[in-house]
Amino acid sequence: AQSVTQPDIHITVSEGASLELRCNYSYGATPYLFWYVQSPGQGLQLLLKYFSGDTLVQGIKGFEAEFKRSQSSFNLRKPSVHWSDAAEYFCAVGARNNDMRFGAGTRLTVKP
Amino acid sequence: DTAVSQTPKYLVTQMGNDKSIKCEQNLGHDTMYWYKQDSKKFLKIMFSYNNKELIINETVPNRFSPKSPDKAHLNLHINSLELGDSAVYFCASSQEGSLHEQYFGPGTRLTVT
Repeated sequence: AQSVTQPDIHITVSEGASLELRCNYSYGATPYLFWYVQSPGQGLQLLLKYFSGDTLVQGIKGFEAEFKRSQSSFNLRKPSVHWSDAAEYFCAVGARNNDMRFGAGTRLTVKP
Repeated sequence: DTAVSQTPKYLVTQMGNDKSIKCEQNLGHDTMYWYKQDSKKFLKIMFSYNNKELIINETVPNRFSPKSPDKAHLNLHINSLELGDSAVYFCASSQEGSLHEQYFGPGTRLTVT
């Protein structure tokens, strides 16, 4: 089965600084990759997804992610973080058997 | 209009009880899911279901059972509740298969005392 690793449990950045959240996956076939965001007390919302094609994908709220097959990575980036970006971020990989595996999440704190 | 809704939002109950959590989606999706999120925020898929197939995560105890009265609903029944069942349970839906974006409900916080 597929698996996802998010190496950083917690990241703190200053407002206006750039952000990169790491995600590594393990899957024997072509991966279907997702990044979701969860605000406190809320469900998950999709930021972006990668299925095929251009390896740099744009998402909502100014986020982007780059798929690197050679590194089995799908890192999430944002050039300038806003205080409202503070949340939990989850990377996920989907498989054709309806199985979706999530990483353990990275909690983002934004300093004023 | 809420796309994926769950009731109740909070559920406090005693060990040994049987309880249900309801989920409804108005997106016309074919596939629905149940996830469990533990206190460390780890999110684990429990079931995925469409009108053709129920896929069960093998680690889920058989005290948990999904029931779908129709395509728009997937309820979660839990028998003989245990302390370790305390968690937040999320329902989600997508077009057929998990290769499509999933839309999540707001979650149900279950506390077993």
